[in-house]
Amino acid sequence: EIVLTQSPATLSLSPGERATLSCRASQSLDSYLSWYQQRPGQAPRLLIYDASNRATGIPARFSGGGSGTDFTLTISSLEPEDFAIYYCQHRRSWPLTFGQGTKVEIK
Amino acid sequence: EVQLVESGGGLVKPGGSLRLSCAASGFTFSTYSINWVRQAPGKGLEWVSSISTSSTYIYYADSVRGRFTISRDDAKNSLYLQMNSLRAEDTAIYYCARTPGTYWFFDLWGRGTLVTVSS
Repeated sequence: EIVLTQSPATLSLSPGERATLSCRASQSLDSYLSWYQQRPGQAPRLLIYDASNRATGIPARFSGGGSGTDFTLTISSLEPEDFAIYYCQHRRSWPLTFGQGTKVEIK
Repeated sequence: EVQLVESGGGLVKPGGSLRLSCAASGFTFSTYSINWVRQAPGKGLEWVSSISTSSTYIYYADSVRGRFTISRDDAKNSLYLQMNSLRAEDTAIYYCARTPGTYWFFDLWGRGTLVTVSS
């Protein structure tokens, strides 16, 4: 089973600041990594698939990068609605797994 | 509207059974793979099971294999999860989530249905 480790666990930032979230895999994923946003009380929403492809309707301030075992999600300038929990997920092999999440909170 | 709507959750005793349903609308259900993902209260996301188009491929997490059965009915645009021998650790919100083809990421999610296993 591939283990995804997200860091930091919590990121405290102010609106307008840049957020950089990390996801590290226990083995190579090629580029088969996705990112999701989950706001309180809501279902997750796909942001990025295959490391760097924005999903339909996702604002350009969200970008993804990386390959192999190290990946990043960057939010260039935080909007109030971006304060949420973010999860990474791989599709390299079975079982599919998620990281434990990074909470982006208002400082 | 493109959406997935789960139903069938509730309170069940340990060892009991429950059948979850997921109704799809607004897209051609038969051309997508569909998945179940769960989230225990206050915890992260856990993949549970996946079924490809035409039910060609079916996958389960080790934690549910042998107890849960995923199925789909394309004529009814519906996905199901039969859950048997339920345990307290199965308590979670269960989401159905759509996958384009066999790319195995989740591009559309339902709102979820809560399953509580408790005596």
